Amino acid sequence: NAGVTQTPKFQVLKTGQSMTLQCAQDMNHNSMYWYRQDPGMGLRLIYYSASEGTTDKGEVPNGYNVSRLNKREFSLRLESAAPSQTSVYFCATSQARTEKLFFGSGTQLSVL
Amino acid sequence: DQQVKQNSPSLSVQEGRISILNCDYTNSMFDYFLWYKKYPAEGPTFLISISSIKDKNEDGRFTVFLNKSAKHLSLHIVPSQPGDSAVYFCAAQGGLGGSNYKLTFGKGTLLTVNP
Repeated sequence: NAGVTQTPKFQVLKTGQSMTLQCAQDMNHNSMYWYRQDPGMGLRLIYYSASEGTTDKGEVPNGYNVSRLNKREFSLRLESAAPSQTSVYFCATSQARTEKLFFGSGTQLSVL
Repeated sequence: DQQVKQNSPSLSVQEGRISILNCDYTNSMFDYFLWYKKYPAEGPTFLISISSIKDKNEDGRFTVFLNKSAKHLSLHIVPSQPGDSAVYFCAAQGGLGGSNYKLTFGKGTLLTVNP
C-alpha cells in the first residue's frame, strides 16, 4: 500500500547516544517533513525538505540533522541524544505546499 | 508566540449531538487552514481544509467555518459518532517565501463522543 513508512516504531536511547530515524514514501511527493509531538505542545516542525536536494530548518531544529537521500527518503539524525528529545516523531509528505500532509505512524523515542 | 491556538484541551459530547471545535490564529498572513484527526498510536490524518477566500467548507458530517475578521475557525461535526473520538489539530499555512511549506499546528483538542 502507498504511504509513509517510518522506522523504527520504538527506540530507547541513553543520553549521548546517536541514532537515525528513517522515513520513506512511495507517494512520489516532492516535499517531506519531520515533526515532533509532545504532550500539550501539539506538532512542531523540526526540519523540512521542499524538494529533493534542499532542506530547511523548522521551528525546533536544535540537536537534529537531516538528509534528503533521494526523492523517497528523508532521515532525521540525533547526534547526541538528550532527555529533552524524548518525544513522538512523525515524518510527513506533501506534493508541494503543505496542504494535505500525509503522515507516517510515528516513532516513539525515549532518551534516558 | 503561539500563532495557532486551540484553547479547549478537551471536549465531551453525546452521540448524535453536534461537536464544535474552535481554533484562533494571530498571523494575518495565514491563507489556508486545515483540520487533522489523530487516533492513539497513529499519525494524524487530513480531515478538511478551507482557503481564506471562503467562509465555509463542507464534507459530509464535517463543516469548517472561517471568520477572517475574528481570526477564528471552527469545525462542526454533525451528528457526532463514537468513532469520532480522537485528538483534532487545527493547522494554518501561508506567508512569504519558505513559510508556504510550513504548517503551524495548534496544541490539539481531545474529543470524546459518548454512546
